[in-house]
Amino acid sequence: AQSVAQPEDQVNVAEGNPLTVKCTYSVSGNPYLFWYVQYPNRGLQFLLKYITGDNLVKGSYGFEAEFNKSQTSFHLKKPSALVSDSALYFCAVRPMDSNYQLIWGAGTKLIIKP
Amino acid sequence: EAQVTQNPRYLITVTGKKLTVTCSQNMNHEYMSWYRQDPGLGLRQIYYSMNVEVTDKGDVPEGYKVSRKEKRNFPLILESPSPNQTSLYFCASSFLAGDYNEQFFGPGTRLTVL
Repeated sequence: AQSVAQPEDQVNVAEGNPLTVKCTYSVSGNPYLFWYVQYPNRGLQFLLKYITGDNLVKGSYGFEAEFNKSQTSFHLKKPSALVSDSALYFCAVRPMDSNYQLIWGAGTKLIIKP
Repeated sequence: EAQVTQNPRYLITVTGKKLTVTCSQNMNHEYMSWYRQDPGLGLRQIYYSMNVEVTDKGDVPEGYKVSRKEKRNFPLILESPSPNQTSLYFCASSFLAGDYNEQFFGPGTRLTVL
């Protein structure tokens, strides 16, 4: 079965430190990859996506993500965390044969401490 | 402003009392979808629609109905709600063609079924 894993329920980072939120996937072919963020009491917001090309993609709010085909991973990164980055982060994958459906990870809560 | 709207935002109801959650988008998106979000389970898709009068089941369609009579609207209907449908519900929409297929989410509807 095709799946997306976010192995950490929660990630704690001190403000100013780099952060990484991990995502690995198991799908056939070359999928599209997405990161979304959910702030408290809000809907999900698109952060960035990988379709093809450069393995490092840049997105909103200073976030970037690195696609690694051999490890089937798409980790979200930011060089210097802000307290305002504290939120719930979701990785999603769209298999090429999926009829536009997304497979979602369970989410990772990111807590940035001052 | 481009947006997805949902109403109501909060709803408390009783078992068996039919309810409808409305969803509307103003971006002329072909694709619309309903998700439910439960702690530790991420997002699970209920139903989706590729265009007017075209709907299909997602991963957890039992107990729900949808319709797509107009391109902009995609209501979610619970004919006889039960307590296990207590959840946070999100409507989302996107274009289908090309790379423009990141999903835009509504603000969410928190439903409690007593």
